[in-house]
Amino acid sequence: SQQGEEDPQALSIQEGENATMNCSYKTSINNLQWYRQNSGRGLVHLILIRSNEREKHSGRLRVTLDTSKKSSSLLITASRAADTASYFCATGRFGGTSGSARQLTFGSGTQLTVLP
Amino acid sequence: SAVISQKPSRDICQRGTSLTIQCQVDSQVTMMFWYRQQPGQSLTLIATANQGSEATYESGFVIDKFPISRPNLTFSTLTVSNMSPEDSSIYLCSVWDRGMYEQYFGPGTRLTVT
Repeated sequence: SQQGEEDPQALSIQEGENATMNCSYKTSINNLQWYRQNSGRGLVHLILIRSNEREKHSGRLRVTLDTSKKSSSLLITASRAADTASYFCATGRFGGTSGSARQLTFGSGTQLTVLP
Repeated sequence: SAVISQKPSRDICQRGTSLTIQCQVDSQVTMMFWYRQQPGQSLTLIATANQGSEATYESGFVIDKFPISRPNLTFSTLTVSNMSPEDSSIYLCSVWDRGMYEQYFGPGTRLTVT
């Protein structure tokens, strides 16, 4: 499997429910980021978690990182119809120049549908 | 933060032709990247656009097919050459600089090759 595999591939929930998406990766990382993409448009950065962090919150978002299992999860609480989008995890490469650490490897993505 | 614009936003092109996509940033940035997103797929890094030197290409991407220019710290172009239907994708420009917390992405260029 490729660096940054996500599951589930698709998730459909009712408004108000929580949505959890998982991401696994293979190599050492500097950080892991989550992005949202609406209908094939540009990406919106949601949250970044560094390799020495285990959990991070931002509004209704909660991200966890387990470097021993090479996995991360994104939890969206109290979902809204506007949260309907594709969600991608992306890992920054370990080592090299600070610039090369910004070359992101993206996961396969989870298509989230929040039903009103 | 950085505001990125891309031109064109979308295009439909004939097989065998070439298309040049422009990426403009509202501030000087050290790193500019080009990504491809094939239909229903995730993003794949094509290359890092280096100011004043040749771009650095990822495995599977070559300069003859995807020539890149970076004449200054706010602008880059990606050309998709001798297009085939397999090149139908969204092409996204991305930037990063020291002091930026995140990597910023442009709105993308949706290319359809017929």
